[in-house]
Amino acid sequence: GAVVSQHPSWVICKSGTSVKIECRSLDFQATTMFWYRQFPKQSLMLMATSNEGSKATYEQGVEKDKFLINHASLTLSTLTVTSAHPEDSSFYICSAKGLAGGPIEETQYFGPGTRLLVL
Amino acid sequence: GQNIDQPTEMTATEGAIVQINCTYQTSGFNGLFWYQQHAGEAPTFLSYNVLDGLEEKGRFSSFLSRSKGYSYLLLKELQMKDSASYLCAVMDSNYQLIWGAGTKLIIKP
Repeated sequence: GAVVSQHPSWVICKSGTSVKIECRSLDFQATTMFWYRQFPKQSLMLMATSNEGSKATYEQGVEKDKFLINHASLTLSTLTVTSAHPEDSSFYICSAKGLAGGPIEETQYFGPGTRLLVL
Repeated sequence: GQNIDQPTEMTATEGAIVQINCTYQTSGFNGLFWYQQHAGEAPTFLSYNVLDGLEEKGRFSSFLSRSKGYSYLLLKELQMKDSASYLCAVMDSNYQLIWGAGTKLIIKP
């Protein structure tokens, strides 16, 4: 149980294009999903927290107009990197937290991650 | 400020036991998590402690002392596949996860 998928796993794009990454909770409903970024040999950096049906909460320093987050359902959140540039190249990981009161309430379960390379 | 400290790197021998420590200072406490992250992969959940004491799960155990702001992850009968980074994360009073930088564990034959 508590499986999170992410698509695509790899994406290479040209500078200036937009990239959409999907995060799905496959066997549970996730009221809250998180988007992280991780540069090589560094720790996870939380970018934003997204709650189903409401606007995402962005961490300080993360541009909300550049990293668009949509959490339209209890099983799907999307991150769109708009006008991507080479410095946006990173490992993007989503995680999902279960519904309150369930057996997996506060635990975050991670998707496999998406490697983005912007040329 | 909020702070999670864990060693940057540890080395251990296959078949041995290793203890990875984590100390924390956070605004409130709603539990401590340990995650394992292999190179190039996303983290996977290992354990969750919210009460003091030891939680055992197979070869892995996690200990918590809330009064000391301290936890450790104990790995027994080490296998080569245990080579990974181990991330300590604390949930604060706002239910936000505060992440440590991770401990890279190197297992030698």
